[in-house]
Amino acid sequence: NAGVTQTPKFQVLKTGQSMTLQCAQDMNHNSMYWYRQDPGMGLRLIYYSASEGTTDKGEVPNGYNVSRLNKREFSLRLESAAPSQTSVYFCASSLTGMNTEAFFGQGTRLTVV
Amino acid sequence: AQSVTQLGSHVSVSEGALVLLRCNYSSSVPPYLFWYVQYPNQGLQLLLKYTTGATLVKGINGFEAEFKKSETSFHLTKPSAHMSDAAEYFCAVTDTGGGNKLTFGTGTQLKVEL
Repeated sequence: NAGVTQTPKFQVLKTGQSMTLQCAQDMNHNSMYWYRQDPGMGLRLIYYSASEGTTDKGEVPNGYNVSRLNKREFSLRLESAAPSQTSVYFCASSLTGMNTEAFFGQGTRLTVV
Repeated sequence: AQSVTQLGSHVSVSEGALVLLRCNYSSSVPPYLFWYVQYPNQGLQLLLKYTTGATLVKGINGFEAEFKKSETSFHLTKPSAHMSDAAEYFCAVTDTGGGNKLTFGTGTQLKVEL
């Protein structure tokens, strides 16, 4: 029972490089999310997808793009990485509805030098 | 916009002592409230949630939380701390704009000492 799977687990990028973080869920959830976690700031929503084919900005979308490839997969792209994007990134998924549990992946630790 | 405030970024308790982690929320409508736990180098997992109905909510691993509308609080408690409870705890509220977009507090790191 895999749940939410993120790849890679660790990544080091040079300033200006691009990369895509991959996320897949096997729970048939409609909604998927990307958060970033920074010390003392909790988790902040970058982008979310309420259903296949739709995406919307969250609290901190600048510098990121997303693709909801299908119901299972939701990728996050950094077009030109900056040191301020050094963070731990979490993908999550949930059923539709405000009272449903979100399931999180193990995270991707990204360092931009 | 919804928000949550967690008082105390670090809490230290002795094994066997009461655990109390504080969370206050800001919401103009009845909120849906959650507590998540994060163990080192892992993702978050749900401890418990309040949606409607009973205001005392029981979760996993002996944790519980009480929704107090008059105090806009949703504090997390456990009667007796165990070493395995050492982790970071996040209070969260669902955005009333729809969907399940969670707004998280800044987290409380719980340390359990012998």
